[in-house]
Amino acid sequence: GAVVSQHPSWVICKSGTSVKIECRSLDFQATTMFWYRQFPKQSLMLMATSNEGSKATYEQGVEKDKFLINHASLTLSTLTVTSAHPEDSSFYICSARDDERGLAGGETQYFGPGTRLLVL
Amino acid sequence: SQQGEEDPQALSIQEGENATMNCSYKTSINNLQWYRQNSGRGLVHLILIRSNEREKHSGRLRVTLDTSKKSSSLLITASRAADTASYFCATTTDSWGKLQFGAGTQVVVTP
Repeated sequence: GAVVSQHPSWVICKSGTSVKIECRSLDFQATTMFWYRQFPKQSLMLMATSNEGSKATYEQGVEKDKFLINHASLTLSTLTVTSAHPEDSSFYICSARDDERGLAGGETQYFGPGTRLLVL
Repeated sequence: SQQGEEDPQALSIQEGENATMNCSYKTSINNLQWYRQNSGRGLVHLILIRSNEREKHSGRLRVTLDTSKKSSSLLITASRAADTASYFCATTTDSWGKLQFGAGTQVVVTP
């Protein structure tokens, strides 16, 4: 089955530092990937749509300079949380849409296991 | 912003019982999907139902969709302790496949 990995699985950093999270589709190509954030006991909130070879599309209220997204290949998207602060502590989840599945270019998204970020 | 609301927020049942949770959404959709999330883990896709479908089955899962009421339900029959998880509905409204998630239902199945 389609597998999406995320690295690291958890990270603790000091306030003011930047943290990079990788999302990889392991056995399929994904032109489109998505980044979500989930606070404890809450639902997933879409942050941005990552498109290979072009700029990411951010949801309203998400600072693009704060959350830098790079989708440099068909199997890798990265999210960099710049100058992280304690309020950025959250569970970050990516998903990837398989380019070859589904009737509309991939209706099913495959989710990574998530990255837990704690900013001290 | 979240598209859907789910109820109940939490559900506690015993093994063997059925679990039903509902999802309502606000705008027209292309499809609606249900996902499961074990505590602190990623999401597992359960089932997708398209806007022109009314009911779908997958193993012990049954999903219904009523587009006139903008609502969907997920039924888990003969629940097992391993079904303990949070369940989320998510809708797609555009060709990109962006998902808008509901608030989720936390299900606890006790042996």
